[in-house]
Amino acid sequence: DADVTQTPRNRITKTGKRIMLECSQTKGHDRMYWYRQDPGLGLRLIYYSFDVKDINKGEISDGYSVSRQAQAKFSLSLESAIPNQTALYFCATSATGAGTDTQYFGPGTRLTVL
Amino acid sequence: AQSVAQPEDQVNVAEGNPLTVKCTYSVSGNPYLFWYVQYPNRGLQFLLKYITGDNLVKGSYGFEAEFNKSQTSFHLKKPSALVSDSALYFCAVRDKTGANNLFFGTGTRLTVIP
Repeated sequence: DADVTQTPRNRITKTGKRIMLECSQTKGHDRMYWYRQDPGLGLRLIYYSFDVKDINKGEISDGYSVSRQAQAKFSLSLESAIPNQTALYFCATSATGAGTDTQYFGPGTRLTVL
Repeated sequence: AQSVAQPEDQVNVAEGNPLTVKCTYSVSGNPYLFWYVQYPNRGLQFLLKYITGDNLVKGSYGFEAEFNKSQTSFHLKKPSALVSDSALYFCAVRDKTGANNLFFGTGTRLTVIP
């Protein structure tokens, strides 16, 4: 869905490197999320943001940080990447109020840490 | 704490046959339940949701889900499977503690055999 875009789509990096994954949305939603997907584990929430000034840790935030640069942009950083952060990362958005339950996902970023 | 379980990692069904993808939930109070689908190299797409009301919920692409409170289940169904339905399916439950985030199951890979 082009409404939520993620860059890069694929990234291979080395242990210890700093990595930033970017997410942009044109849906006008206030809420944005970062998840990681691992085989057999489903999706797990890393961070979420209800607006530019409201950022919250999710289930597995250790080793990650985020920045909400604008309503439309939400970046995920790995300060010092390690191999067990190899995963598929998804950004998602949702509206506020009655629409908060339906989330719209980007295409994902496949990250490999060697 | 809210959670969902998808007991089957893989479901195979012949094209034209009915399909069922199982999901059970653990929630205090009334649950808000969802199904999402992930096609290869794509992000998750919303299929349907149960908030309240009729126990049979209809969604996109001919899918429906049946909410069963006594069995704490929310199984996804389709009367006649298509090869194009082959994908990864995720059940999710909404957090009711304030953040309204979604907790996803581990996913079930559906393969429709021609």
